[in-house]
Order: sequence, then C-alpha cells, then structure tokens
Amino acid sequence: QVQLVESGGGVVQPGRSLRLSCAASGFTFSNHAMHWVRQAPGKGLEWVAAISTDGTNRYSADSVKGRFTISRDNAKNTLYLEMNSLRGEDTAVYYCARVFYWGQGTLVTVSS
Amino acid sequence: DVVVTQTPLSLSVTPGQPASISCKTSQSLLHSDGKTYLYWYLQKPGQSPQLLIYETSNRFSGVPDRFIGSGSGTDFTLKISRVEAEDVGVYYCMQSIQLYTFGQGTKLEIK
Repeated sequence: QVQLVESGGGVVQPGRSLRLSCAASGFTFSNHAMHWVRQAPGKGLEWVAAISTDGTNRYSADSVKGRFTISRDNAKNTLYLEMNSLRGEDTAVYYCARVFYWGQGTLVTVSS
Repeated sequence: DVVVTQTPLSLSVTPGQPASISCKTSQSLLHSDGKTYLYWYLQKPGQSPQLLIYETSNRFSGVPDRFIGSGSGTDFTLKISRVEAEDVGVYYCMQSIQLYTFGQGTKLEIK
C-alpha cells in the first residue's frame, strides 16, 4: 500500500537550518508531483511547496520563498525540504503529500 | 492565487441528522480536461488529513456513501446524509487547479 514517511523534524533555533525527508513506497514515485503542506499548532493547513515529476519545476508559497527548497531523488523514492533561515512562524507539523495520500507528518519547532 | 472560502467554521450535529459544508473559490476549478479539481478531506483528532472526495464528487476508496460531494465552477458542497460519531474532526476543502489552496476548515462536533 501507499506509504509516505516523513523524518528530520525537531527543535531548532531561529535562523538555523533543517532538512526534512519523505520516503515513498507502494507507488511509482517518479510518476507523481509531490507537495509539502504544513499545519501550525491549532491552525489549518497551508501549502508550502511542490515539485514536478522530474524535479525541473518547483513552486513555493510566498511565506517560504527564498528560504525553503523542495527537491526529490527518484532513484531513492525520496522527497526533501531544505529549510533555511527558520523563524518562529515556521513551527508546524510538516506533511509530505500527493493529492490522494498524506504522510503522518513530522514536527518542526523553531525556538531559542 | 486561488482563494478558497469555506463555511461554516463549526458545526454541531445530532447523530443521524444531516450536515452540509460550503466551499467557494475565487476562480473556476474546471480544467480543460473536463475535470473539476476540488477535494474534501477529514482530519480526525491527532491524525493527518484523509481524502474523502476527489474531483468534486467521487468518493475515495472505503469512504461511506453518506458522504456526498457536489458542485461546479466555483461553488461546492460536502453533505453528510446522516452524521455518525466517527465523523467528528475538521473538514477541509482544497483546490488543485493551481498548486494547492485549502479552505479554513470546518470543525464538526456531535451534540
């Protein structure tokens, strides 16, 4: 069955960096565009970034543009989110997602 | 950017009674391929969102037939014909014709 398993979350100080990973299985990863979506504590869902099947097209929300970079390794069936210059407002659960399937999320806490 | 407006923000429903959630978008979600890219998710407490309805009106695998999606263009509705206790959580609509945008969420509680 389809599985998306995020990892790499944790507590990080403001201004520092973190890289999230999402291991995909149960489907042909290279055939699907992939997204990162986040949810701040007690808040709704916010789309963060997207990447095309071959990685040539990348998109990001204005709130993270210039700081976050989405990438993928189709040989490893893995999606990444490189997060730089982290801020308190980036504190959230980060989900790896296709339209039909979501991972369980990984919590990123930005705090000094 | 496509703006998605979801109402109401909360619902309190007696088991066995119907419930309805509205989702309006700032531009049409009808694609040139004939599909309308509007989705409904339920996020149960402590869980990640799970897909209920895709492309406006198609129930995802395993979703009970009491969940009914309808609409077109910019105006969409999710109806639950008879609410059950297991339906509690937050419902989100989402558009994917232009990247993703989510509605604000509707919290469903049982009376």
